[in-house]
Amino acid sequence: DVKVTQSSRYLVKRTGEKVFLECVQDMDHENMFWYRQDPGLGLRLIYFSYDVKMKEKGDIPEGYSVSREKKERFSLILESASTNQTSMYLCASSNTGLEANYGYTFGSGTRLTVV
Amino acid sequence: AQKVTQAQTEISVVEKEDVTLDCVYETRDTTYYLFWYKQPPSGELVFLIRRNSFDEQNEISGRYSWNFQKSTSSFNFTITASQVVDSAVYFCALSEYNNNDMRFGAGTRLTVKP
Repeated sequence: DVKVTQSSRYLVKRTGEKVFLECVQDMDHENMFWYRQDPGLGLRLIYFSYDVKMKEKGDIPEGYSVSREKKERFSLILESASTNQTSMYLCASSNTGLEANYGYTFGSGTRLTVV
Repeated sequence: AQKVTQAQTEISVVEKEDVTLDCVYETRDTTYYLFWYKQPPSGELVFLIRRNSFDEQNEISGRYSWNFQKSTSSFNFTITASQVVDSAVYFCALSEYNNNDMRFGAGTRLTVKP
């Protein structure tokens, strides 16, 4: 069964900490994405990557950065966590080309609380 | 950029009722893809359906059906004879052909009461 795995289900961090959210996929997908989900706002795209070492800003990249050193791993980094970054973070992956629009495979999410 | 609107924030129905979830989208592309995802309480998004912009045929899958109308830029989702297990948040999403990044609506929380 294909999988997108997010390293933590729940995370509590302090304001100002540097936070790493890890995502690994085993489907050899080219594309990987990070979204955050907030009530009433749906899923908002933070960053995405089409290939190793490539990254593109989504709709709300401020306060975040990403790293993709290997094809299967896409990390979201909060350089200095703030309380307004308390949210559910969802990672997804997809294939490219004609297969890209067959939809994404999502991880189970990481619920991050910044105190 | 593409945009998806789900005007219904929450819907509550009693089991066996039919329910329709609305989705309206905006895009300048002529080729695009529309999706519905289900997010049960466990949190993981589950893919339900994909529809491309050239295929306006309605689709039925068991108790689920989808009505795609380009004239009104809508892609509505109907659950017939709803069940308690249908309780979830449902997201409509849009992906343009030349962009692999998908945009989601705000979601509709459906509660089906026994």
